[in-house]
This record gives sequence, structure tokens and C-alpha cells, in this order.
Amino acid sequence: DVKVTQSSRYLVKRTGEKVFLECVQDMDHENMFWYRQDPGLGLRLIYFSYDVKMKEKGDIPEGYSVSREKKERFSLILESASTNQTSMYLCASSLYSGYFYEQYFGPGTRLTVT
Amino acid sequence: KNEVEQSPQNLTAQEGEFITINCSYSVGISALHWLQQHPGGGIVSLFMLSSGKKKHGRLIATINIQEKHSSLHITASHPRDSAVYICAVKGETSGSRLTFGEGTQLTVNP
Repeated sequence: DVKVTQSSRYLVKRTGEKVFLECVQDMDHENMFWYRQDPGLGLRLIYFSYDVKMKEKGDIPEGYSVSREKKERFSLILESASTNQTSMYLCASSLYSGYFYEQYFGPGTRLTVT
Repeated sequence: KNEVEQSPQNLTAQEGEFITINCSYSVGISALHWLQQHPGGGIVSLFMLSSGKKKHGRLIATINIQEKHSSLHITASHPRDSAVYICAVKGETSGSRLTFGEGTQLTVNP
């Protein structure tokens, strides 16, 4: 079974802090994704990566950066956390199959910025 | 208007009822996914389809490409089916990205 793990289930940070969210997958997937999920807005893509050191902006990249130094690990960085970044953050990974593929999700990190 | 619209937003049913959740999309797609999210956040993939119909246990997913519409049916619903059900599409030109609907909150009462 594919396993996608995230470093924390719950996180509380102060405004202005630098925040790191880590995601690790164990199935040698090329693609990895970071989403945030907010009530009434659904899942929105922040960034995704299609290979080591390769990244592409999603729909809402402002205020975030990412790092992918190893294939299995994809990090989301909030350079200076703000209260409007309080949200559920979900990581996912998938094979690149060109046509059909399935995304596997981690358990999520609920981040509160006070 | 969102590219992916789900209805209803909220659905309450009694145990044993037949349930239908609908998904309409406005772009050309190569695949459509139905996902399930239980309280606590974890999301699992239920179906991935591009045509016709798929069945897994009490769950059935159908898609009509011409009408840009998909439905998720649950037969003989059970309280453990209570979850958020999310429709997501892979656009023909969107590469590896998915576009998600807002989700349908299903509550099945005993």
C-alpha cells in the first residue's frame, strides 16, 4: 500500500514565524502536491513537484515556498506565517502515467496561526 | 462559476436509503475521480473513471462525457458512509493537476 505521511497532525504557530510542513511518500512517485482545504472553497493547489528540484506554482502560491531535495520528500514552507494561512494542509503523491493516475493523500496537518 | 460543481452540498439520510451525489464540470476531461474524506482529514480515492460505470461493493460511479456529468450512488447506506465526498477532474490540458469540487457532506443516521 502507498503510504503518504505528514510530519504533524496539528500545529499551532505565531504570526511571523517560519513554518515547515513535511511530507514523505514511500512509493517512488514522481509527482507530489501540496493543497490547502478551507470550508466552502474545497481543495486548492498551492504547489506541485514533478521531479527532484522541480516545482510548479499552483493556484494559490503566494506566501508559500516548497523544497524537494529528495524524491520521497516534499516540504511546504510558510516564510512568515499569517492568520489567513490557518487551514488544513494536505499532501498527495502520484505516479506520472501520462493519462491515468491516482493521487494518494496524507492525513493532513491542521495549522492554526495565532 | 466553478469548473466543478457538486450537488447537494449537504445530505442527510436514514440508514438503508439509496443516495445520489452529483458532479457537473465545464471543461474537457481525461479522467474524473470520486474521493472520500472522513472526519479527521484523510482522503481516499474511491473511483477513477473516464467513461461508463464502475462498481465497488455498495458504491457505483457513472459518468456521461457528452453531458459533462457524473454521479456517485450509495446503495443500502450505513452510518459508516458518513463523510465528505469530493469530485475531482483531470482536465485534458491540465497535465498532472486535478480540479476539485467543494464536496458533499453526507450524514447517514441510524
